[in-house]
Amino acid sequence: ILNVEQSPQSLHVQEGDSTNFTCSFPSSNFYALHWYRWETAKSPEALFVMTLNGDEKKKGRISATLNTKEGYSYLYIKGSQPEDSATYLCASQGPSGGYNKLIFGAGTRLAVHP
Amino acid sequence: NAGVTQTPKFRVLKTGQSMTLLCAQDMNHEYMYWYRQDPGMGLRLIHYSVGEGTTAKGEVPDGYNVSRLKKQNFLLGLESAAPSQTSVYFCASSYRAASTGELFFGEGSRLTVL
Repeated sequence: ILNVEQSPQSLHVQEGDSTNFTCSFPSSNFYALHWYRWETAKSPEALFVMTLNGDEKKKGRISATLNTKEGYSYLYIKGSQPEDSATYLCASQGPSGGYNKLIFGAGTRLAVHP
Repeated sequence: NAGVTQTPKFRVLKTGQSMTLLCAQDMNHEYMYWYRQDPGMGLRLIHYSVGEGTTAKGEVPDGYNVSRLKKQNFLLGLESAAPSQTSVYFCASSYRAASTGELFFGEGSRLTVL
């Protein structure tokens, strides 16, 4: 994998459903994996930054896991709510060279229907 | 708590016109970035800065210039706008000290070039 790829591109779920999506990234030259939540007409906001293989992070109903050896990360949302509707971006960070060099995926657009 | 502020938020230009986007951050961050967001693509880095008075090219720098005369401001200029520069532009900033630090984004500036 040369680029950061996210799947699915979009997802529609009902309120209360649990859901998950995938971020695939190059496993070579890996430094960190970022997840951002981006609501329409607002700024993208950081959810998690993960660095270690096997890392798992949680914030409320949202959690993420990281597999650096095979180059993927999963984002899980338990009991989706309408306010979870947003685009979820992941970004792979390579060795910094002095700045946070991030390669972003195209995002997964989640719509949670009441 | 302003964070990262971008102006203007919307602008329509004619081909060949010039304009400047202003990004201001009040978090004393050393690193600042300009990205563009196009449909179906991830955020792509245009230019970045690791400190006052320094700038560097990102992935897609052609047609853009930047300046960082003050630590809190990062300006993105289009000298002669082209329709291919129609996009949503995001400014971001991050701490230098945190090598895996999250990015803090502005709300975006939507530019249309006719």
